[in-house]
Amino acid sequence: DTAVSQTPKYLVTQMGNDKSIKCEQNLGHDTMYWYKQDSKKFLKIMFSYNNKELIINETVPNRFSPKSPDKAHLNLHINSLELGDSAVYFCASSQDISGMVQYFGPGTRLLVL
Amino acid sequence: AQTVTQSQPEMSVQEAETVTLSCTYDTSESDYYLFWYKQPPSRQMILVIRQEAYKQQNATENRFSVNFQKAAKSFSLKISDSQLGDAAMYFCAYRSLYAGGTSYGKLTFGQGTILTVHP
Repeated sequence: DTAVSQTPKYLVTQMGNDKSIKCEQNLGHDTMYWYKQDSKKFLKIMFSYNNKELIINETVPNRFSPKSPDKAHLNLHINSLELGDSAVYFCASSQDISGMVQYFGPGTRLLVL
Repeated sequence: AQTVTQSQPEMSVQEAETVTLSCTYDTSESDYYLFWYKQPPSRQMILVIRQEAYKQQNATENRFSVNFQKAAKSFSLKISDSQLGDAAMYFCAYRSLYAGGTSYGKLTFGQGTILTVHP
């Protein structure tokens, strides 16, 4: 009965590789988000999608590409991974685009070696 | 652009005691929302409490309450009767009321405060 799930929970990879993180929500929400939490625990939004449409696109390298096949899924694909991409990535969802109450997934810890 | 500052990197409290976590923010807007999120060791972010800036009454959720001082741009979280399960990192967050376009629904977070609860 997990509300927002992410896979994998841990991801260790080499520099230069391409990897994807998947997110699914079973809450029937219209809006989904990706956040990045760096080593200093600073949490910052990267993207948001509403009904498969990109809404928020912060200043993120274009190596990061979100993909929303349907409104219950928002995947994050990262090309040419760099050391600085190491972080915890959180997916979240909210009932609608107002984002008043956001439900977060458990996070994916990415380590780039 | 709005900023959120949590000046206490770490706080500690004895079980059953009360602790207050501080948060200040900077904005030129008159209407907005403020939130406190809890991040336990499991890493999942959990909404603790929410405050609408246009409401003068401070929000309360069981043992959690806020002290919202709009003029001072201060939004502190008070945890009463602290429990071991309250140990976590706490984040203060800001959301514009009228944000549209590419900022719609955007939450701006503070740096977080680690709360330790001693038995």
